[in-house]
Amino acid sequence: NAGVTQTPKFRVLKTGQSMTLLCAQDMNHEYMYWYRQDPGMGLRLIHYSVGEGTTAKGEVPDGYNVSRLKKQNFLLGLESAAPSQTSVYFCASRSSGGRKETQYFGPGTRLLVL
Amino acid sequence: GDSVTQMEGPVTLSEEAFLTINCTYTATGYPSLFWYVQYPGEGLQLLLKATKADDKGSNKGFEATYRKETTSFHLEKGSVQVSDSAVYFCALRGLMYNTDKLIFGTGTRLQVFP
Repeated sequence: NAGVTQTPKFRVLKTGQSMTLLCAQDMNHEYMYWYRQDPGMGLRLIHYSVGEGTTAKGEVPDGYNVSRLKKQNFLLGLESAAPSQTSVYFCASRSSGGRKETQYFGPGTRLLVL
Repeated sequence: GDSVTQMEGPVTLSEEAFLTINCTYTATGYPSLFWYVQYPGEGLQLLLKATKADDKGSNKGFEATYRKETTSFHLEKGSVQVSDSAVYFCALRGLMYNTDKLIFGTGTRLQVFP
């Protein structure tokens, strides 16, 4: 049981390039989330999904797109990377057993946009 | 809107010292409260949680009590170890359109020296 995994661990992009971050969970969780972590700002929610085939915007969705084609995977895309998207990205998931269930986090992806 | 405020770090302690990391929140209703810990190079892990007023969450020697009257959820440990060195995040569970979201504080870095 690997929990929540993220690919890649680290990436360097040039401004304008595109990339996709992959999050995978093997806990059969319905809900999945993408956060970004910036110094002095805690974690902020980018997008989330309440089930396969669904996505919704969080607090800071601009510049990102997401897809949830399979229940176990949640992809975060950057179509045209900008230096302001330099950050550490965390994926999380939780079961649908009521709103008191815990979110489980992946190890993070560190992205540097030059 | 809902928010979490926690003390700035770093907090530097000697091994076996007493730890307090302050956390206060602003929220409507009765949110669940959490402490997450992030060890170097890793993702966030749930440390403890409390879901209603006067509940005490505890784990690995850490404790926090949900104080509705002071809107606080301070983290304490009686005797810290070098292995406790990490960043600690206070969070509350807020409500969104069709799911919940975690609202994080900015994090407090704890450094414990032998």
